[in-house]
Amino acid sequence: NAGVTQTPKFQVLKTGQSMTLQCAQDMNHEYMSWYRQDPGMGLRLIHYSVGAGITDQGEVPNGYNVSRSTTEDFPLRLLSAAPSQTSVYFCASSPTQVRGRAFFGQGTRLTVV
Amino acid sequence: DAKTTQPPSMDCAEGRAANLPCNHSTISGNEYVYWYRQIHSQGPQYIIHGLKNNETNEMASLIITEDRKSSTLILPHATLRDTAVYYCIVRGLRNNFGNEKLTFGTGTRLTIIP
Repeated sequence: NAGVTQTPKFQVLKTGQSMTLQCAQDMNHEYMSWYRQDPGMGLRLIHYSVGAGITDQGEVPNGYNVSRSTTEDFPLRLLSAAPSQTSVYFCASSPTQVRGRAFFGQGTRLTVV
Repeated sequence: DAKTTQPPSMDCAEGRAANLPCNHSTISGNEYVYWYRQIHSQGPQYIIHGLKNNETNEMASLIITEDRKSSTLILPHATLRDTAVYYCIVRGLRNNFGNEKLTFGTGTRLTIIP
């Protein structure tokens, strides 16, 4: 049972490049989300999904896109990377019945130069 | 979601019980108290949650006051591997329409002293 798997673990991008952070879960959870964590600011919600085909914005969605074509996968796309997007990104999934019981991936450390 | 207040840091001797307090005086009747921890550079890890009764699992115990305005997470026999930032979060159990995030705040940095 792998839980929540994020790839890659580390990534360096040049300003203006695009990339996709992958997130997959094998627990059949309907709810998935993406957070970013910056020093001194805690975790902030970027986008979330309550099921396949349904996504919505969190508190810091600008510069990011998501889609949810399957229950298992919830990729996060950076359209045109900016230095302000340098951060650690965490994906999480939760069962519908207990939304607050989240399982987090190990994170992707992204640096934009 | 109700706001929570935690001390910024605490120390605890290895082998002793670590008691981490959390104030949530504006908690509403249908909101649960969740505890997570984040060990350096890793993803947050769920520990325990409860509504009004005390809860215990293999990791910790959660004591919620009768008026539900505060709670304490207890790690009964702290080890060096328990050194982490601990977050107290309050939110509803199921759908939280219009507010889907877990608000982590800044938490308590717990250091276990050998």
